[in-house]
Amino acid sequence: GAVVSQHPSRVICKSGTSVKIECRSLDFQATTMFWYRQFPKKSLMLMATSNEGSKATYEQGVEKDKFLINHASLTLSTLTVTSAHPEDSSFYICSLPDTPRTDTQYFGPGTRLTVL
Amino acid sequence: KQEVTQIPAALSVPEGENLVLNCSFTDSAIYNLQWFRQDPGKGLTSLLLIQSSQREQTSGRLNASLDKSSGRSTLYIAASQPGDSATYLCAVVSTGRRALTFGSGTRLQVQP
Repeated sequence: GAVVSQHPSRVICKSGTSVKIECRSLDFQATTMFWYRQFPKKSLMLMATSNEGSKATYEQGVEKDKFLINHASLTLSTLTVTSAHPEDSSFYICSLPDTPRTDTQYFGPGTRLTVL
Repeated sequence: KQEVTQIPAALSVPEGENLVLNCSFTDSAIYNLQWFRQDPGKGLTSLLLIQSSQREQTSGRLNASLDKSSGRSTLYIAASQPGDSATYLCAVVSTGRRALTFGSGTRLQVQP
C-alpha cells in the first residue's frame, strides 16, 4: 500500500514564527490530500483539502491566511502555520485517499507542533 | 453536517475480557466506516474498514459491525490484552465527501 511521510515529526518554535510541515506520498500520485489536526485528548478534525494545481478548500472556522497550503506536485503538499501562537500547538496529520471512491485513506505519522 | 459520537469515552477492563466499543453517526448516507487505533503521541493505525454495503468485518480478535440505517457501528474486541490499550477512533466517509469525519474516541486501558 501507499506510504505517506511527514516532516518534521516534531517541532518546537517560538511564538510568532512560521512553521512548514511537509506531507509526501511515496508510492503513488495524489491529486488530493487532507490535513487534519488533533488537540490534546481530542479527536481529529479536518482542516482543509489540498488540491494539486488549485487552491485548497478550507473547513469552516479554519483561517486560510494562517494555515497556508501548497499542493505543488502530485506527491507533495505543505502546510505552513504562519505567525504561530501557543493555541496552534497541536498534532497535524495528513492523509491521502486511495481511489476516487475513497475506499482507503493512508495517513502520515503526524507532526507534533509545540509553540512556546 | 455529519457528527460521529463514541461511547464510552474511556474504559478500563481486566485482561481477558471481551469488550464492545460503540460508535454512532447522524447521517446514514456514508461510503464507508473505519475503525482506527491511536497510541499516545502517535499516528493512526487502520484496523477495519466496512463498506456501506457490508454488515461486518473481522480481523483476528477484532470484529466490527455496521448498521447503516440506524447509524451505528460496534467494535468487538475478544480476549483483550494489555497491548490493546490505546485510543480507538471511529470515522466515516459521507456521501459527497472524501475526507473522514472522526468520533472523539474511546480510551481503552486493559489491566494485566
